[in-house]
Amino acid sequence: LAKTTQPISMDSYEGQEVNITCSHNNIATNDYITWYQQFPSQGPRFIIQGYKTKVTNEVASLFIPADRKSSTLSLPRVSLSDTAVYYCLVGSGGYQKVTFGTGTKLQVIP
Amino acid sequence: SAVISQKPSRDICQRGTSLTIQCQVDSQVTMMFWYRQQPGQSLTLIATANQGSEATYESGFVIDKFPISRPNLTFSTLTVSNMSPEDSSIYLCSVEAPREGAVTGELFFGEGSRLTVL
Repeated sequence: LAKTTQPISMDSYEGQEVNITCSHNNIATNDYITWYQQFPSQGPRFIIQGYKTKVTNEVASLFIPADRKSSTLSLPRVSLSDTAVYYCLVGSGGYQKVTFGTGTKLQVIP
Repeated sequence: SAVISQKPSRDICQRGTSLTIQCQVDSQVTMMFWYRQQPGQSLTLIATANQGSEATYESGFVIDKFPISRPNLTFSTLTVSNMSPEDSSIYLCSVEAPREGAVTGELFFGEGSRLTVL
């Protein structure tokens, strides 16, 4: 069961690109890397998922180096509404044994 | 995708009482998950509820304290029994639903039930 490590918090000004890195040194061959976003008083919601290299969707990009021991969530040009907690999860599907780490609390400043 | 409704959204409870949280999903799902999120903390998995079998509890959580029912593929309940102030938390129901074209699924969460125990 891969454990993840993320910075506890980050601050960013509006309009900047934000990169949040997650370490998962014990990632298994079958594991995927998934990021979730949680706003106050809401449940987490899926942002992006990847296995290796780079994945991009309408919300974010996910960069995964060849050794897969870390990953970086990139949020382009953040706005105040991106203020949230971001969780990195590692698992092979079937969330029964997925562990939510501490998450990174992103505060976007005007 | 999956839409999850939880009730109650919040409640204030007296010490020693029990409260049952309901979770309704708009589609049939095999597994439903119950999480606890204490103030300012991350999510901790309490148990996994499969229809037609006993729930599987994570370390530190027991059936006597958190009995779970799963009568069908769209509904589950979590009861927090004999509550103490330490049980004040947000309790979240979650399901995994497939993502189109993806190998793994995606977790969908309810809005949570915020319990305050006095």
